[in-house]
Parts: sequence; C-alpha cells; structure tokens
Amino acid sequence: KAGVTQTPRYLIKTRGQQVTLSCSPISGHRSVSWYQQTPGQGLQFLFEYFSETQRNKGNFPGRFSGRQFSNSRSEMNVSTLELGDSALYLCASSPPGPPYEQYFGPGTRLTVT
Amino acid sequence: AQSVTQLDSQVPVFEEAPVELRCNYSSSVSVYLFWYVQYPNQGLQLLLKYLSGSTLVKGINGFEAEFNKSQTSFHLRKPSVHISDTAEYFCAVIAYGGATNKLIFGTGTLLAVQP
Repeated sequence: KAGVTQTPRYLIKTRGQQVTLSCSPISGHRSVSWYQQTPGQGLQFLFEYFSETQRNKGNFPGRFSGRQFSNSRSEMNVSTLELGDSALYLCASSPPGPPYEQYFGPGTRLTVT
Repeated sequence: AQSVTQLDSQVPVFEEAPVELRCNYSSSVSVYLFWYVQYPNQGLQLLLKYLSGSTLVKGINGFEAEFNKSQTSFHLRKPSVHISDTAEYFCAVIAYGGATNKLIFGTGTLLAVQP
C-alpha cells in the first residue's frame, strides 16, 4: 500500500497570505489528523476528520481550518499567515478499529517571511 | 485528560552500546501506547505499539518496549545501537475507547549515537 502523501513538501509564504496543504491518506483509512511541529511547542494536534466530519479540534485559532472529501483526502488551510505559523505540518491517517495507530506523511515545511 | 512525559531531552550513547529511552504517562482511563521515530526532515514512523496482553512488545529496527502499569511507564530499549539510530523518538498515547484518534505526544528524546 502506498503511504500517506502530502503536498507540497516545502512552501514559502509572506505574512498575511493564506495557504492550503493537502493530504492523501493510506487507502482504506477514513480518519485523517493534522499536527503542527515546531521546535518550541513540539507536536501539537490541530484537528481530526472522519468521514468528512471534524471529530476533534486542538487549541488553535480560527485561522486554521480543514476539510475532508468523500475519498478521505484532506486539506488544511491557514489564513492571514503569521511568522509563528512557520512549522512542519504533519498529516496522519488511521485504520478503522483499535488501537487506531496513526501513520504519518513526510510533512509540509511551511516558512512564513 | 492524558499527558506524556519524556524526561530526557537528549541521550548520547556510543555505537553498539545499549540504550533506554524513558516515557511516563498520566491518564484517568486506559490508553494505547506508541513509540515513533523521526529522522531529520522526515515524518514520524511507527516503531511499536502496545494494546494489551504481554507487557513486552517488539518493534522494528530491533527496538522493544516494556509496559509497566503500576509505574505508568513505557520505556523503549535497544540492546545495541547503530549510528543510523540517531533520530528523535516520541512516545505517545491514545485514550482507550475515546471518540477520537487524538495522539498525545511527549516532547521527544534525541538519541545521539556516537562512533
């Protein structure tokens, strides 16, 4: 099976712009989660989608949003970018059933200047 | 709520020496436990997982971990490390029977293997 794919791998944006990141889960996985990784804050949960519905959301401002499509692919959007949004954004998908281990993609490295 | 503590931010070790990376967790409900590894400029790779049953679980690349319920620990071990094991290692939990798949991560331990 192909792994989780994320596009683009690298992105440079300017403050105030918006960005959309894409994630394709492993075939058969219906749950997709997003995480932000920074040197200062570590790995932080952004949100999780299951069957096109947001099932859980982390403590991030409303500028961070996401969605999931009927084929389980997911996108996350960050509007009005700030310098502090520079991070590695990781997407993970989970198979149905416990223990719901997550399989991660390579990440998108976002740099905001 | 769950939390994960990895007390060692960095563990230096010589090649072919044994290593233990420590992980303690706190939770009011039962949890599933995981160890992930992250190589530079890459995503996280699942090393091993604990669901139930035998407290010693074996993973990829020669790693194993032992679950200790009384000490709420899930330490990762390898009897002989290689240079290629240099990476960051994350311990994580998911609440058993929870409505979501939210992973709670520790802060990570950088394993630095020296020749």
